[in-house]
Amino acid sequence: GENVEQHPSTLSVQEGDSAVIKCTYSDSASNYFPWYKQELGKRPQLIIDIRSNVGEKKDQRIAVTLNKTAKHFSLHITETQPEDSAVYFCAASVAGNQFYFGTGTSLTVIP
Amino acid sequence: DTEVTQTPKHLVMGMTNKKSLKCEQHMGHRAMYWYKQKAKKPPELMFVYSYEKLSINESVPSRFSPECPNSSLLNLHLHALQPEDSALYLCASSQDFGTGYGYTFGSGTRLTVV
Repeated sequence: GENVEQHPSTLSVQEGDSAVIKCTYSDSASNYFPWYKQELGKRPQLIIDIRSNVGEKKDQRIAVTLNKTAKHFSLHITETQPEDSAVYFCAASVAGNQFYFGTGTSLTVIP
Repeated sequence: DTEVTQTPKHLVMGMTNKKSLKCEQHMGHRAMYWYKQKAKKPPELMFVYSYEKLSINESVPSRFSPECPNSSLLNLHLHALQPEDSALYLCASSQDFGTGYGYTFGSGTRLTVV
């Protein structure tokens, strides 16, 4: 089955700086890669996703890049704000079927 | 309606109790999922229903019993649980099991087994 590794497990940045979270996957058949943000006590919420026919996708301050050859994808958050503090999970799946989640990154943005 | 609604939000049950968790969506999604999430860990898939039929059972103990009465509802029946089953139980739905489109999580039921 698919194995998704996520790094770092914790990340602290100053407000206004950028944050980068990286994930690697093992199954070359995986072709859908969502990123979820989960605030304490709340549901995971989809913040951005990318499919394997695209190398990069942006949505305002958030971007995701995908390197299919190296089997890794990354989340980039620019101009971080305190409300970006949360746990972020990456996931990989084949055609949007069963999601395999990374172990999560706890992001703290220091005002 | 673009939400997945879960009830109850919190549940405390004894190890001999029988209880049920409920999940409802009215987005016309044909795939529904149950996940278990322990604190600071990623969600773990338990069951997948596609077109009201059980598609995936991730070797979940029989004390957890899913049910899909219709395309909008998903239940998780609980019986003889153990304290280690305490967790956040998340329901999710998507347009179908195969595209990932519209994958949406509910707010979860926080279960405590005493």
